[in-house]
Amino acid sequence: DSGVTQTPKHLITATGQRVTLRCSPRSGDLSVYWYQQSLDQGLQFLIQYYNGEERAKGNILERFSAQQFPDLHSELNLSSLELGDSALYFCASSVSLTRGDRTDTQYFGPGTRLTVL
Amino acid sequence: AQSVAQPEDQVNVAEGNPLTVKCTYSVSGNPYLFWYVQYPNRGLQFLLKYITGDNLVKGSYGFEAEFNKSQTSFHLKKPSALVSDSALYFCAVSAGSARQLTFGSGTQLTVLP
Repeated sequence: DSGVTQTPKHLITATGQRVTLRCSPRSGDLSVYWYQQSLDQGLQFLIQYYNGEERAKGNILERFSAQQFPDLHSELNLSSLELGDSALYFCASSVSLTRGDRTDTQYFGPGTRLTVL
Repeated sequence: AQSVAQPEDQVNVAEGNPLTVKCTYSVSGNPYLFWYVQYPNRGLQFLLKYITGDNLVKGSYGFEAEFNKSQTSFHLKKPSALVSDSALYFCAVSAGSARQLTFGSGTQLTVLP
């Protein structure tokens, strides 16, 4: 158990809908990262937050957004869902004492499996 | 841009034999390299990382990895494989100004009893 929690574990929804994925980082970790794992794209970085502020952006679609709250939990919002958005979405956290140190170990949650029908 | 290659989609090894899962990387600047393992329906578990110093890094569950700067490789090794080591292994790099990890495509390791 990494100490990172994600809810829900599974999500089934229809095209065009909007969903919210939630992540609680390990106690004391300031950085939260979101990744998408799909069969065709592999594991891809979406976005990083550090202590409430957006820190880095990857291959995140404009239909997707995220935020990190004062208690450091994070939410990933996916809207206007398409079939191709079906994937496993991981949250990871790291301690990041210095606004995101690239040598930090990222600890991953169990993921949320999103199925868009 | 940084990238990681795992040239083998699948590696099969007999239980008790040594195993190697290959990884090569391409970065500008110093590479920070990581290995993660993913069991079915589970998240990624951290195994080990190379930041600096000794080229041989020891990690969890008896795994180790050898950093080779001239060959830009970071192969994962274990002296004696267990059936329970069967899983999907990912190599990742964090380099330059980016904090995020760039992952390889993964290697499915199967240890045969």
